[in-house]
Parts: sequence; structure tokens; C-alpha cells
Amino acid sequence: NAGVTQTPKFHILKTGQSMTLQCAQDMNHGYLSWYRQDPGMGLRRIHYSVAAGITDKGEVPDGYNVSRSNTEDFPLRLESAAPSQTSVYFCASSLTGGNTGELFFGEGSRLTVL
Amino acid sequence: SQQGEEDPQALSIQEGENATMNCSYKTSINNLQWYRQNSGRGLVHLILIRSNEREKHSGRLRVTLDTSKKSSSLLITASRAADTASYFCATHRENAGNMLTFGGGTRLMVKP
Repeated sequence: NAGVTQTPKFHILKTGQSMTLQCAQDMNHGYLSWYRQDPGMGLRRIHYSVAAGITDKGEVPDGYNVSRSNTEDFPLRLESAAPSQTSVYFCASSLTGGNTGELFFGEGSRLTVL
Repeated sequence: SQQGEEDPQALSIQEGENATMNCSYKTSINNLQWYRQNSGRGLVHLILIRSNEREKHSGRLRVTLDTSKKSSSLLITASRAADTASYFCATHRENAGNMLTFGGGTRLMVKP
């Protein structure tokens, strides 16, 4: 099992460009989420999904869109990137969504918006 | 503001010493989890302690939870250079659905 796989690991884009961060999990987990990690801020949840076809907003959803067409994939799209979206992004999955179980994280995608 | 706040923000110790990190939170919780993050990597789950538990052990890790003080501690005994990482507490609050709230982390450096 690969666990949670994120691509790309690094990316630079310009203000106003669009970008999709990919997340795939092979553990048959129902819950998938996207977090961003900024210095001194801990991790903040952007969007999440409890099952295919169901998505919901997290703490900091503005500027981001997600979709969940199947169990495995949960892409995060930035439609018009802004410098404030420079961050490290993590996809995380869970069998139970954090209520009783652990989160499994990908290795992260470091995004720089110029 | 963050639900979980780790203390200290940074800790430097010698190999073989014990490392203690603390986490304080504001509202009632269902469980509290500790994660480790090596530089440039994703977070790895270490241990989960439920609100009705007071202490849990896993190898060299010992976690305590004091719900009356709204605090938890993570003790790493006989530390090794490989324990160098950032450590985060995450709380699952009551009535917060499936949301985990992470603190800002403690950066631990273990010197060989």
C-alpha cells in the first residue's frame, strides 16, 4: 500500500494562474481532507469529504475548490492563485474521520505563488 | 485562536535524556492525538488518548491527559537523534463533528 500520495511535491505559479493538487489514497478510507500548514499556525483544514460525492468546507475554504468523484481521489483546485496561498498543503485520510481514529497524511505539496 | 497550544515551542536535549512536551486546550474534547513531523515530511500519528483515559503508553512514549486542567503531556524517554522532529497535539472537540484542531507544534532537537 502506498497510503496517501500527493502530487506535485513542489510547484511555483504566478498570481492569477490556476493549479490542481492531486491526492490519492489506496486504503479504502471514506474520509479525505486537505490542510494547509503555515509557520506558527499549525494545520488548518481547507475542505473535506466523508464519502464519494460529498464535500464540505473546513476552516479556511476561500479560494479553493474540491471534488470527490470516487473513493480514491480528492483533488484540490486553486482557480486564481494568490500570494496568500503560498503554503505547504497536506492531504489526509481516515477510516472514521478523526472521531475515533488517526489521520494518515501524504508527504505534502509545497506551493509558492509569486 | 488554536484549540491546542504546545509548550515549549522549541526544545533541545542530549541523546538519552527525556523530552516532555505539553499541550493545553480550551474546550471539552472527545480525544486528543499526538503527531510527529520530520522536516519536509507529512505528519505521522503517534498516539490517541480518549477523554475518559488518563495515561497511555506506546514504546518510549507516554501520554497523560488531565481534563480538569485541559492539558496533555507527551513524554519521550531515552531520546535518540532520530526523535528530532516537530510534535503536534490535535484535539477532537465535542460537538465539532469530525474536525481535528492542531496546535502550532513543539520543535524537538536531540543532539547526539
